[in-house]
Amino acid sequence: DAGVTQSPTHLIKTRGQQVTLRCSPKSGHDTVSWYQQALGQGPQFIFQYYEEEERQRGNFPDRFSGHQFPNYSSELNVNALLLGDSALYLCASSHRDRGQPQHFGDGTRLSIL
Amino acid sequence: AQKVTQAQTEISVVEKEDVTLDCVYETRDTTYYLFWYKQPPSGELVFLIRRNSFDEQNEISGRYSWNFQKSTSSFNFTITASQVVDSAVYFCALSEAHSGAGSYQLTFGKGTKLSVIP
Repeated sequence: DAGVTQSPTHLIKTRGQQVTLRCSPKSGHDTVSWYQQALGQGPQFIFQYYEEEERQRGNFPDRFSGHQFPNYSSELNVNALLLGDSALYLCASSHRDRGQPQHFGDGTRLSIL
Repeated sequence: AQKVTQAQTEISVVEKEDVTLDCVYETRDTTYYLFWYKQPPSGELVFLIRRNSFDEQNEISGRYSWNFQKSTSSFNFTITASQVVDSAVYFCALSEAHSGAGSYQLTFGKGTKLSVIP
């Protein structure tokens, strides 16, 4: 049973560029959430997708956008990259029932030069 | 707004010692869920336990145990007879039960880095 898979593992970009990160949820899960984890900090919620719609959003600017596909996989897009966007980006999947634990992927390490 | 505080930034113990990781939370909801996750150096967050706000029973799973006390808004995690493989960053997290399916977010503490010395 495959868990949550994310790609790519590492990515290096320069300021002003755009990036797309991808996530495939665990089998049986229909909800995908994205988190940003800066070095030495806890993950911060970016947004959550369910039934191909953004359901909740954390305190992140519009430069952060996403999408969920009919097969429940998801993308995170970040435009106009800033140095401060350097972080580990974690994808988590869960079943839609409230309170179900979210299962995380290994993350994508994004470095902005 | 919800908040999770893990006051211990780093803890070092010698193998076989017991260690308790503290977690204090704030929420205005009466229905909520609490979680503990482990993050080894590889980066993946590993789910350890979920507790809902109506269940204050303590839980034990092998060398792990959790103490949930609503009166003090705490959800502490104890590792008995620690092992080197327990070395990781441990995160406590809270989610509030919003209306609508699939609509909750996790609020994490800043984590406690546990080092178990052989």
